[in-house]
Amino acid sequence: QKEVEQDPGPLSVPEGAIVSLNCTYSNSAFQYFMWYRQYSRKGPELLMYTYSSGNKEDGRFTAQVDKSSKYISLFIRDSQPSDSATYLCAMSEEDDKIIFGKGTRLHILP
Amino acid sequence: AAGVIQSPRHLIKEKRETATLKCYPIPRHDTVYWYQQGPGQDPQFLISFYEKMQSDKGSIPDRFSAQQFSDYHSELNMSSLELGDSALYFCASSTGQGVFYGYTFGSGTRLTVV
Repeated sequence: QKEVEQDPGPLSVPEGAIVSLNCTYSNSAFQYFMWYRQYSRKGPELLMYTYSSGNKEDGRFTAQVDKSSKYISLFIRDSQPSDSATYLCAMSEEDDKIIFGKGTRLHILP
Repeated sequence: AAGVIQSPRHLIKEKRETATLKCYPIPRHDTVYWYQQGPGQDPQFLISFYEKMQSDKGSIPDRFSAQQFSDYHSELNMSSLELGDSALYFCASSTGQGVFYGYTFGSGTRLTVV
């Protein structure tokens, strides 16, 4: 079993919808949780990061971490076609190397 | 704003050849990480350097080596290339305070081994 599980999609939603992306993990030592967005042929770009459990909001993006369930989520409100990309969850134990999920391909339909 | 620069962007090599990938971190970033991303795969951690010393090692084959130089740029040397080495190789840099402050990734080097 991989340390981080993420549904690869693709996930297609109409413009303006709320998008929910999530990951599960098995390593209870993970403390740092991140979401990256990756456009085709580009490097991953950090969207959100949180430490331990809780919620964090930044504009249209909300990240949630539930350590008791080993489950993290990213919500995108008022989705736009420009949000179409691959979203990777990522986690780290000791603030060093990070372990990525496989990424979910998201398509926002105009 | 300055970003992480990787060169070359694309590289085609034959089996058993050698390749060198370069990474120039963001100014004042002292930590560099290398990742390998196969087609449709998640990035896999290879190796990292902090202040020119290797700080962590992941699933890096023995055929690969890397180092960080005095100007903090890093090079990934890959020898005896195999078809399975074809992938996108990313480097990322950070301030050494770690992932909580966010990595910044380069755009990657696409290596094709034929």
